[in-house]
Amino acid sequence: GDSVTQMEGPVTLSEEAFLTINCTYTATGYPSLFWYVQYPGEGLQLLLKATKADDKGSNKGFEATYRKETTSFHLEKGSVQVSDSAVYFCALSPPGGSYIPTFGRGTSLIVHP
Amino acid sequence: ETGVTQTPRHLVMGMTNKKSLKCEQHLGHNAMYWYKQSAKKPLELMFVYSLEERVENNSVPSRFSPECPNSSHLFLHLHTLQPEDSALYLCASSHKNGLAPGELFFGEGSRLTVL
Repeated sequence: GDSVTQMEGPVTLSEEAFLTINCTYTATGYPSLFWYVQYPGEGLQLLLKATKADDKGSNKGFEATYRKETTSFHLEKGSVQVSDSAVYFCALSPPGGSYIPTFGRGTSLIVHP
Repeated sequence: ETGVTQTPRHLVMGMTNKKSLKCEQHLGHNAMYWYKQSAKKPLELMFVYSLEERVENNSVPSRFSPECPNSSHLFLHLHTLQPEDSALYLCASSHKNGLAPGELFFGEGSRLTVL
């Protein structure tokens, strides 16, 4: 079945550091890929998405590129802020079939001033 | 109101109580979901309702009972819960079809504590 694997957290960084959170997936065909963010005390919200290979999703300074050859969708940000502290979830939605997404376990990011 | 709204935001109940969580979406979506989020555990899909079907996770105990009277409203009825049911319950909605099915819009969650 489909699956999403994220790096274990927490990831702890200083403000203005470079961020990478790894995400790899297993699925047939070309799924849609998503990153969701959950700030403390809130629900998840969509951060960015990509629907086909080589697409780059971007939002709020975050980027992720859909890499079919490596089945990856790593999240990056050039300079993190304290306000980016949150839990980040990678997810996929398979093509032409189930509309129910598969989520990774989530990666907690802690940014210190 | 816009988006996905969940009520109540916080709920404390005893093991013998009966309560319900409510979710309402104003996005015109045709699929709604209940997820359970416990500390240090993966997000757990509990139930999905769409136009023609209901999908459920067979591992969810029968003390959780969903109800979806229409495409905009979703309830989770709770009875004789256990302390391990304490968690954040998240409601979400989406289009079942379209360019990116599986793009979910979440509510802020209902924090449930079972004493």
